Amino acid sequence: QKEVEQNSGPLSVPEGAIASLNCTYSDRGSQSFFWYRQYSGKSPELIMSIYSNGDKEDGRFTAQLNKASQYVSLLIRDSQPSDSATYLCAVNSPSGNQFYFGTGTSLTVIP
Amino acid sequence: GAVVSQHPSWVICKSGTSVKIECRSLDFQATTMFWYRQFPKQSLMLMATSNEGSKATYEQGVEKDKFLINHASLTLSTLTVTSAHPEDSSFYICSARGTADTQYFGPGTRLTVL
Repeated sequence: QKEVEQNSGPLSVPEGAIASLNCTYSDRGSQSFFWYRQYSGKSPELIMSIYSNGDKEDGRFTAQLNKASQYVSLLIRDSQPSDSATYLCAVNSPSGNQFYFGTGTSLTVIP
Repeated sequence: GAVVSQHPSWVICKSGTSVKIECRSLDFQATTMFWYRQFPKQSLMLMATSNEGSKATYEQGVEKDKFLINHASLTLSTLTVTSAHPEDSSFYICSARGTADTQYFGPGTRLTVL
């Protein structure tokens, strides 16, 4: 079982819709969770981090964490074509020494 | 804050030569830096974890004698691809661990070996 799993997509949503990206992780002791966005040919950039159960909002982005279900999600409201990218979920090991990435979900926002 | 730079951003070299890539944390100190490789349309692949003042930890299947890593200071790690071959052509990305265990990525170095 992989440490972090994501649906590779591709996920397509119309402009203005809500995009929902999901991620599950295997190590129940993990404490830190991150979402990165990677445009084609570029390196990943941090969008959000979340450490506690519940929702965390930052502009059009909302990260949701459910440790009991070992589930992290990212919602993008009012999706824009510029949001088209690959979204990577990342999880720290309980010790903090390992950092596991999912394979990424490709999102396309259709104008 | 939390800016990581890489140099060079792209490099073309002849087969058999060595290439050094620098990764710097510009506004924070990073005891740990990571080196990744990414082939087109594929996932990030962790190559090694670099800790300041100690030997790097390489992932399984990564040749430590081919990919030399030096983390000499809290703001600089280098990756040297020795005796590069065309199959080493890839996008090399470093990251530095900042506060709250967050990783911040450099912009990447595109290596093409002829």
